[in-house]
Amino acid sequence: GAGVSQTPSNKVTEKGKYVELRCDPISGHTALYWYRQSLGQGPEFLIYFQGTGAADDSGLPNDRFFAVRPEGSVSTLKIQRTERGDSAVYLCASSARGGNEQFFGPGTRLTVL
Amino acid sequence: GQNIDQPTEMTATEGAIVQINCTYQTSGFNGLFWYQQHAGEAPTFLSYNVLDGLEEKGRFSSFLSRSKGYSYLLLKELQMKDSASYLCAVANYGQNFVFGPGTRLSVLP
Repeated sequence: GAGVSQTPSNKVTEKGKYVELRCDPISGHTALYWYRQSLGQGPEFLIYFQGTGAADDSGLPNDRFFAVRPEGSVSTLKIQRTERGDSAVYLCASSARGGNEQFFGPGTRLTVL
Repeated sequence: GQNIDQPTEMTATEGAIVQINCTYQTSGFNGLFWYQQHAGEAPTFLSYNVLDGLEEKGRFSSFLSRSKGYSYLLLKELQMKDSASYLCAVANYGQNFVFGPGTRLSVLP
């Protein structure tokens, strides 16, 4: 399909390990967002890209979290030294330049044991 | 600080009308959004308000009062498939989005 895709759909890892979560936005969308959502809560903003650059990374909780979008399309969220509190669904969304509507991917469910 | 409040849960009957309220206090304002999220699925866009007033789209309407920091989502002719969480979100300047906790709506037959 032509929607936002995220891989993997599920990731189980052990405390202290490194993980990478991938997002493929809708083709041509210049804006890309990462959120994380815990059960029963709304999405929590992490970082926003406009093109290749991070326009706002104020939501990243600490320096263990990092995200890149080197060619202005696919983005990778990287989490170092994972902690049990990092367990959540990580959502990616994209929008067209000047557009208001964000299109969300299905999310990656991360479980840190 | 930044804060968005919504009722946690609401229940309504099929065919009825329900209003979901949202109040917000954010550091900036560049529009208010409503999203629908079915259990285990990604949020989907419902509406966007940046000016005061009512926006109508089929069975769904959204209202905004910027001076009061208040919005509501109105759902008419409720259907069973409308059972979902409804998320209120505010775009700050710079496209930093703040989401509320969501309101879980149950539509009963």
